[in-house]
Amino acid sequence: KAGVTQTPRYLIKTRGQQVTLSCSPISGHRSVSWYQQTPGQGLQFLFEYFSETQRNKGNFPGRFSGRQFSNSRSEMNVSTLELGDSALYLCASSSNTGLVNTEAFFGQGTRLTVV
Amino acid sequence: GESVGLHLPTLSVQEGDNSIINCAYSNSASDYFIWYKQESGKGPQFIIDIRSNMDKRQGQRVTVLLNKTVKHLSLQIAATQPGDSAVYFCAFRPPRGGADGLTFGKGTHLIIQP
Repeated sequence: KAGVTQTPRYLIKTRGQQVTLSCSPISGHRSVSWYQQTPGQGLQFLFEYFSETQRNKGNFPGRFSGRQFSNSRSEMNVSTLELGDSALYLCASSSNTGLVNTEAFFGQGTRLTVV
Repeated sequence: GESVGLHLPTLSVQEGDNSIINCAYSNSASDYFIWYKQESGKGPQFIIDIRSNMDKRQGQRVTVLLNKTVKHLSLQIAATQPGDSAVYFCAFRPPRGGADGLTFGKGTHLIIQP
């Protein structure tokens, strides 16, 4: 069974640009969550999607957005990039329907560098 | 919240010894707890989880202990091996299921010495 796949693995962008990151969850998983990891703030929750609907959002500005497709694949977008957006962006998938907690499995992440 | 700071606590143990990694949480509504291991350049890897109706759960070479009274979680790794060197994170979530994201602890850098 394939794990969580994130593309691309590495990305370099310029301030002011926008970026789209992609995540393919484990087959059968309908919940996809996104996290930002930085040395200063650690792992922080961005948002979570289930059946194409955003169920919850963390404390990030509106420049950060996402969506989920009918095949459960998810994308996140960051517009008007800032230097502080440089981070490892992680995607996690789970079979969680929202009724009971289940484990979340992470992908390798996309390392975004904003210059 | 439980956001991390700039410096990770470090735990250095001899190969073959047991190690204990601790984590404190503040949200008493937390209902579900997970330990993750993160190696350099990789995403967090699920190790073991425990629900709030339990106080102990064992896996292969790992044991998680939950003390809800003092809001404390620990991960015990038996007979540590070089491959156990990594950063370990605790994570928790309230009872609403997956709708709320995981809150992560600071992380502990475990170093295994030969």
